[in-house]
Amino acid sequence: SAVISQKPSRDICQRGTSLTIQCQVDSQVTMMFWYRQQPGQSLTLIATANQGSEATYESGFVIDKFPISRPNLTFSTLTVSNLSPEDSSIYLCSVDSWATGELFFGEGSRLTVL
Amino acid sequence: EDKVVQSPLSLVVHEGDTVTLNCSYEVTNFRSLLWYKQEKKAPTFLFMLTSSGIEKKSGRLSSILDKKELFSILNITATQTGDSAIYLCAVEMNYGGSQGNLIFGKGTKLSVKP
Repeated sequence: SAVISQKPSRDICQRGTSLTIQCQVDSQVTMMFWYRQQPGQSLTLIATANQGSEATYESGFVIDKFPISRPNLTFSTLTVSNLSPEDSSIYLCSVDSWATGELFFGEGSRLTVL
Repeated sequence: EDKVVQSPLSLVVHEGDTVTLNCSYEVTNFRSLLWYKQEKKAPTFLFMLTSSGIEKKSGRLSSILDKKELFSILNITATQTGDSAIYLCAVEMNYGGSQGNLIFGKGTKLSVKP
């Protein structure tokens, strides 16, 4: 299993600003995943962060809005840019087990945009 | 320490069987319990439970929460091969009366054989 730490755990931001969320894993992983969880809805995959290459974004998500860094095999950041109230959500970092396909999640970062 | 424990970790059944997946939790500020089905990288939301003893039902799936004994079960009747997936349980924390972050269990890997 993997232990994932996310920072910040929660934040309140003003419209138009940006928030950067950090994700630290206790082991080296090839891929890290960023999700958004809105109330009562399925987890939505934003992008897959690969070390040494650009992130792969899912339909509906763009790099200008959600820039991602992946400087090494244990760390990634997701920035949510030009915030609007619609961006209020939980953002989750995840890694998977190459052996079993299980997903391991951080506790999430709850963002509220005023 | 807040935690969510799912059992069994894996389960193999035959089509037509009924399965019960378990999720127990110990958290300081419980708000809700969520069940997801994970087949690919974005788990699909199944149920959100907030009240004890009220069964939620969707087709062959049902779930119930016991806030006194701190657990939930997810039942699947007349299983089909398409039910093969990892089932994730997560607890949403309460934070000052508003929504908090999520703690995920490790999941139950269900395999349904024809």
